[in-house]
Amino acid sequence: GESVGLHLPTLSVQEGDNSIINCAYSNSASDYFIWYKQESGKGPQFIIDIRSNMDKRQGQRVTVLLNKTVKHLSLQIAATQPGDSAVYFCAERGAKTSYDKVIFGPGTSLSVIP
Amino acid sequence: DTGVSQDPRHKITKRGQNVTFRCDPISEHNRLYWYRQTLGQGPEFLTYFQNEAQLEKSRLLSDRFSAERPKGSFSTLEIQRTEQGDSAMYLCASSSIKLAGETQYFGPGTRLLVL
Repeated sequence: GESVGLHLPTLSVQEGDNSIINCAYSNSASDYFIWYKQESGKGPQFIIDIRSNMDKRQGQRVTVLLNKTVKHLSLQIAATQPGDSAVYFCAERGAKTSYDKVIFGPGTSLSVIP
Repeated sequence: DTGVSQDPRHKITKRGQNVTFRCDPISEHNRLYWYRQTLGQGPEFLTYFQNEAQLEKSRLLSDRFSAERPKGSFSTLEIQRTEQGDSAMYLCASSSIKLAGETQYFGPGTRLLVL
């Protein structure tokens, strides 16, 4: 069945280092992927997205890489800051049942060590 | 603030009671979504509106749940005869392909605790 999941549930990085959060998906029909950041007590916040016809997309301090061959997605955060501490979710759309429904993975908790 | 807003932010109720949550989407967003999130998990899709039409409902949405968007603007989610298993964060999101591509913007959520 379709699923979106993350390799690691927790990640700790030193402030200033780069962070890499990974995600595996199983539905090869998915054509749109999103990364969300969720801080405690808040709703998910959009970070960056990528379509399946792209391999890489860059934002401010963030880069998303998509490897369709192995169905793998990653989020890279440059110069990680304490404010980056949160749970990060990868999500997919364009799955077989609905184009508008977003399917979230279980999340990775990022902790930044000052 | 022109983001998605939800009310109330927190709700404590006794089992068997009815509760209603409200979501005000970003102005001019014609699509509105409801999700449920339990502790340690990602949000799960519940239902979706385009304008006032409810176009899709998840199997998670039992017949005790009902959602409306009567004028195509704000939406309400009602849970009847609440059960302890309904305790969760209920998230609302909105989007508009015309204005913001396909990005769904989430509200702060309503945290429900059923005693």
